[in-house]
Amino acid sequence: ELKVEQNPLFLSMQEGKNYTIYCNYSTTSDRLYWYRQDPGKSLESLFVLLSNGAVKQEGRLMASLDTKARLSTLHITAAVHDLSATYFCAVDAPNFGNEKLTFGTGTRLTIIP
Amino acid sequence: KAGVTQTPRYLIKTRGQQVTLSCSPISGHRSVSWYQQTPGQGLQFLFEYFSETQRNKGNFPGRFSGRQFSNSRSEMNVSTLELGDSALYLCASSRYPTNAGELFFGEGSRLTVL
Repeated sequence: ELKVEQNPLFLSMQEGKNYTIYCNYSTTSDRLYWYRQDPGKSLESLFVLLSNGAVKQEGRLMASLDTKARLSTLHITAAVHDLSATYFCAVDAPNFGNEKLTFGTGTRLTIIP
Repeated sequence: KAGVTQTPRYLIKTRGQQVTLSCSPISGHRSVSWYQQTPGQGLQFLFEYFSETQRNKGNFPGRFSGRQFSNSRSEMNVSTLELGDSALYLCASSRYPTNAGELFFGEGSRLTVL
């Protein structure tokens, strides 16, 4: 069974600082996704990573995927208050017999002025 | 274009009752997935429908069921409600199945079971 772990679960950062959220998964996959959820809101797709070594950047967020290590990172650069949200990674592996999207536990990020 | 629409947005039920939630996908999307989100268990996959056929099912009891209509709209039903069924139920649509990269989520239906 595919398992996805994120750490940390909670993260308080000062504005302007850098930090990284980690996402580990348990079985072979080459597809990983990052979503953002604001309180009381739905999930918004941030990044889709579909191959080993994939790196994508949008504004102050950058995501990468290492399929050999079964690890993805979401790096936050010079954090601003608007980035406060819960971030989820999710994995599926349809090429390896697992079509269900499995989500990590989420990382609740709070940016402190 | 219109996003994924879920109704109702909020509802309160009592134990033993049943509930039906509705999801209208983005126009042109034929795949609909349902997820349950709770503080304790996080986001868990319920089921996925494509062209009126259930393609995948998560590890939920038979009290949880769903269906998809010819216009791609989907409903999920929970019978004999339990307190633990209180959750945010999220629907997501995509043009094709196993296309999580293009998965669009609705605002959710928040169910409270008393």
